[in-house]
Amino acid sequence: EAAVTQSPRNKVAVTGGKVTLSCNQTNNHNNMYWYRQDTGHGLRLIHYSYGAGSTEKGDIPDGYKASRPSQENFSLILELATPSQTSVYFCASGDWGRGQNTLYFGAGTRLSVL
Amino acid sequence: AQKVTQTQTSISVVEKTTVTMDCVYETRDSSYFLFWYKQTASGEIVFLIRQDSYKKENATVGHYSLNFQKPKSSIGLIITATQIEDSAVYFCAMRGDTNTGKLTFGDGTVLTVKP
Repeated sequence: EAAVTQSPRNKVAVTGGKVTLSCNQTNNHNNMYWYRQDTGHGLRLIHYSYGAGSTEKGDIPDGYKASRPSQENFSLILELATPSQTSVYFCASGDWGRGQNTLYFGAGTRLSVL
Repeated sequence: AQKVTQTQTSISVVEKTTVTMDCVYETRDSSYFLFWYKQTASGEIVFLIRQDSYKKENATVGHYSLNFQKPKSSIGLIITATQIEDSAVYFCAMRGDTNTGKLTFGDGTVLTVKP
């Protein structure tokens, strides 16, 4: 069973502060993704990565940066957090075409920006 | 751009009955993949079932099955013999025929199963 671990699980930040959300996967997946989920809505893609050293913009990248320093780790960075970034953030990993035809999600990080 | 629409915001059923959740999608890709995920009350997101667009047979996994109607761009999720623990939010998602692996999600349907 794929394992994706997010930290922290809950975070309260101040407006204008820097926030880093971390994600670790132990299944050697090449692809990793960051999504955000707002109340009553589905998941929207922020950034994704094909492997160590690569990051790509998703559908809503503004205000976010991503970093993939290794195969296992993928971080989402909010340089100047704003209240509109209050949301639940999910990390996911997967390898399409290697017999794993789905994504595996972490438990989520609830971020509140005050 | 791809789009996934779930028109049912919430559904309530009595346990042991069958429920169908609707999903329609838009894509220009000739080949694509459709998914259903379940989000539990704890927030955990779990993969349920997948349909590949080139397959004519409807996918079935346990008490989950799909009603794939390609001409209507529709992929319904059918849950038979519902149980209380099936209460959750159900998301439809799709992936186009590219190597990015990006999933586009619908807004979800809240299912409540009552005794």
